[in-house]
This record gives sequence, C-alpha cells and structure tokens, in this order.
Amino acid sequence: EAEVAQSPRYKITEKSQAVAFWCDPISGHATLYWYRQILGQGPELLVQFQDESVVDDSQLPKDRFSAERLKGVDSTLKIQPAELGDSAMYLCASRERDSYNEQFFGPGTRLTVL
Amino acid sequence: EDQVTQSPEALRLQEGESSSLNCSYTVSGLRGLFWYRQDPGKGPEFLFTLYSAGEEKEKERLKATLTKKESFLHITAPKPEDSATYLCAVQSYQTGANNLFFGTGTRLTVIP
Repeated sequence: EAEVAQSPRYKITEKSQAVAFWCDPISGHATLYWYRQILGQGPELLVQFQDESVVDDSQLPKDRFSAERLKGVDSTLKIQPAELGDSAMYLCASRERDSYNEQFFGPGTRLTVL
Repeated sequence: EDQVTQSPEALRLQEGESSSLNCSYTVSGLRGLFWYRQDPGKGPEFLFTLYSAGEEKEKERLKATLTKKESFLHITAPKPEDSATYLCAVQSYQTGANNLFFGTGTRLTVIP
C-alpha cells in the first residue's frame, strides 16, 4: 500500500541551530502539505504545494521557515534558526490532483528544541 | 472564520460500552468534513469524508453522521484497539486551496 514517507522520525536540536525535514508523497500525488502539530492540538497548515508551486504559505513563519519542492515530487521543510517554541510534530500529507478528497498523512517528524 | 470544536476532550469507556464523539463546526460553505484517527506519535489515519447533511458512513465499529452544524462519530461496542485520538477537520469553499481546518481532537481510551 502506498504511503507518505518522512525522515527523520525524531530530531533533537539546540536553539539557533538549523534543521531540515524531508517528505516523499504518494506516487502521483500532485498536492503536498506541511502541517505543524503541537501536543494536544490539531494539525495546522504551514504550506501547500501544487506540483512545484506554492499554493498557500500564509501561515508559514517566513523569517525562519522555508519549504521547497523543486521537481514537484519530494519536499524539504527547513527551520533556521530553530526556537524553543518550534518543538512539535511536523506532518507531511499528500492528495491527488484536482481532488477534494482525503489527504494522506505521513508518520511525522517529532522535533525537540533544547 | 472557520471553527471546529470537538467534545469531549477525553473519553474513557469500558470495552463494549458504546458512545459518541461530537464535532461542531462553523464554516462559510462546507465542502467536506473529515474524520481521522491518530495514534500516539503517528500521523493521522483517514477514516471518513462526509459532504452533505444527512450523509452517513460506516467502517467496522465506527459510524459517522453529518448535520448542518455538527458531526457525530458513533463507536459501537468498542475494543481496546480503538483507543486513539479522533480528529475532525472541515474544508470550506471560502478557504480555498482545499485546506483542512482541524479541531483539537477527542482522546478515547477503551479499558478492557
């Protein structure tokens, strides 16, 4: 069964360091999302891609966060510099093109900033 | 602004004790309402999508229903393996870009 892949699964870093997360969506899924989920809350959208283009990054803290999907397949989310408040689960999801159907989520990357 | 409120925040059930989880929503034009299950430390797992009031969907011990203001996730004769956090999310025509707006979830514990 096709799945969304994410790595690493866990990341511990110190404040002010740079971190990067990788996501490989389900094959053929043109739409890719990055979410942040703080413990005890629901996921919140950070950025949405359609192929290699950003569709919505209105909630992405652009002073420290960046995201790219250069070839329209896998994607990288970067934080530089990391802050204590960035500790959370970072989830990647993908969806078929031109579909209003469900998004499929990866296992997430648990980030701890010390 | 889209709003999703889930209740209760936490629910403890004895094995076999049926109950319901609630998701109340306020959106400008509902495109779809989604239910996900999330186990600790894992990503959400898709359960159901509901598109219009009166719609119902079932999967094993779970049944989701939708009205114009809320959705219910009914759990019949739950088992310990049903223990998880259940997330509700809405997609509205106004928000655009097909984004999902999530509630904070209901944490379900089923005791053997």
